[in-house]
Amino acid sequence: AQTVTQSQPEMSVQEAETVTLSCTYDTSESDYYLFWYKQPPSRQMILVIRQEAYKQQNATENRFSVNFQKAAKSFSLKISDSQLGDAAMYFCAYRSRAGKSTFGDGTTLTVKP
Amino acid sequence: DAGVIQSPRHEVTEMGQEVTLRCKPISGHNSLFWYRQTMMRGLELLIYFNNNVPIDDSGMPEDRFSAKMPNASFSTLKIQPSEPRDSAVYFCASSSRIGYTFGSGTRLTVV
Repeated sequence: AQTVTQSQPEMSVQEAETVTLSCTYDTSESDYYLFWYKQPPSRQMILVIRQEAYKQQNATENRFSVNFQKAAKSFSLKISDSQLGDAAMYFCAYRSRAGKSTFGDGTTLTVKP
Repeated sequence: DAGVIQSPRHEVTEMGQEVTLRCKPISGHNSLFWYRQTMMRGLELLIYFNNNVPIDDSGMPEDRFSAKMPNASFSTLKIQPSEPRDSAVYFCASSSRIGYTFGSGTRLTVV
């Protein structure tokens, strides 16, 4: 079974600074998807970024980028120029080709003004 | 597109009552997922459907829980009888290759 581990229950960053959230996973599959989701206090789950395992190039979405290390089974999220609106809980998720997904326990990000 | 629509947004019910949560996925998404979120256990996958067919229900906690997807545009999660430990936020999500789109969730409180 796949597992997803987020080792940082809480992180904080100063507004305009950069922060990196860690995620590792365990799988025996070679083809899969990885995601980062954001859950603000409104509780809505919002897709931040996705990565397909067969792509070596790291995904980027505006201020959000990932460092995907397939051999190390690591998938960290970097948030540049942090904004107050980035404050939320961030979930790392693994999805197999068959469609079943596993989420990490989440990292609560605080952005300090 | 209105996104994934869940109803009700909040539900308070007495222990022993039947609870039905509803979900309308995004049109064209062929996979649908039910999740439960609690502080203690985080996000748990309860069941998921591909093309209206239940694929994996190993996350369904017990026989009190059942889910159906009679067609591509509607799914229900039923709890009968409900218990206080079922109190949680229940999310429905539908999926394309791009990723999951979650509904706003139903906050269930069983008193």
